[in-house]
Amino acid sequence: ILNVEQSPQSLHVQEGDSTNFTCSFPSSNFYALHWYRWETAKSPEALFVMTLNGDEKKKGRISATLNTKEGYSYLYIKGSQPEDSATYLCASSNYGGSQGNLIFGKGTKLSVKP
Amino acid sequence: SQTIHQWPATLVQPVGSPLSLECTVEGTSNPNLYWYRQAAGRGLQLLFYSVGIGQISSEVPQNLSASRPQDRQFILSSKKLLLSDSGFYLCAWDHQGWTEAFFGQGTRLTVV
Repeated sequence: ILNVEQSPQSLHVQEGDSTNFTCSFPSSNFYALHWYRWETAKSPEALFVMTLNGDEKKKGRISATLNTKEGYSYLYIKGSQPEDSATYLCASSNYGGSQGNLIFGKGTKLSVKP
Repeated sequence: SQTIHQWPATLVQPVGSPLSLECTVEGTSNPNLYWYRQAAGRGLQLLFYSVGIGQISSEVPQNLSASRPQDRQFILSSKKLLLSDSGFYLCAWDHQGWTEAFFGQGTRLTVV
């Protein structure tokens, strides 16, 4: 089974701080890397799906980069706001016996203090 | 538009009792279907996934099972629940892993 690792496990920042998280994944037979935002008592919602090495995607104050050769992705949040507080999940899908299925990391829990 | 329904939202069951959680998807065909679980203090763990009717892959050996009797229906079952089965169960669908996954609202299961 694939291992998707995320760090840090949790993060506490002040409103206005910029922050970033790391996701590492197996680079062999890579297919796609997903980032999700998971608020308490809600379902995870997709932020980005990236497939190409060097991909950079942006949605408002949140952006992500992808390095498929070395197997890592960064998620950046610029000027954190209290409403950014959530658990951020990354997930990887690879070719092979488990083709197409998403394997999630344990997430990074972000708390933004006003 | 596509929607995913998962029920029930909460469930309290005694140890040794059976379990059946149901998930249905509307507005798409031949989706990949997933069951995930988040145990207390842990991340999302993939339990089962299915790429088609009757095709079930299990990622974690346990006393749970899954079935896909129809293209857009995914059922998670157990004959006898354990305390360790408590957690938050999420159903999800996508298309082959390259599109974003869509999640149901989740089921909070407490085994007592």
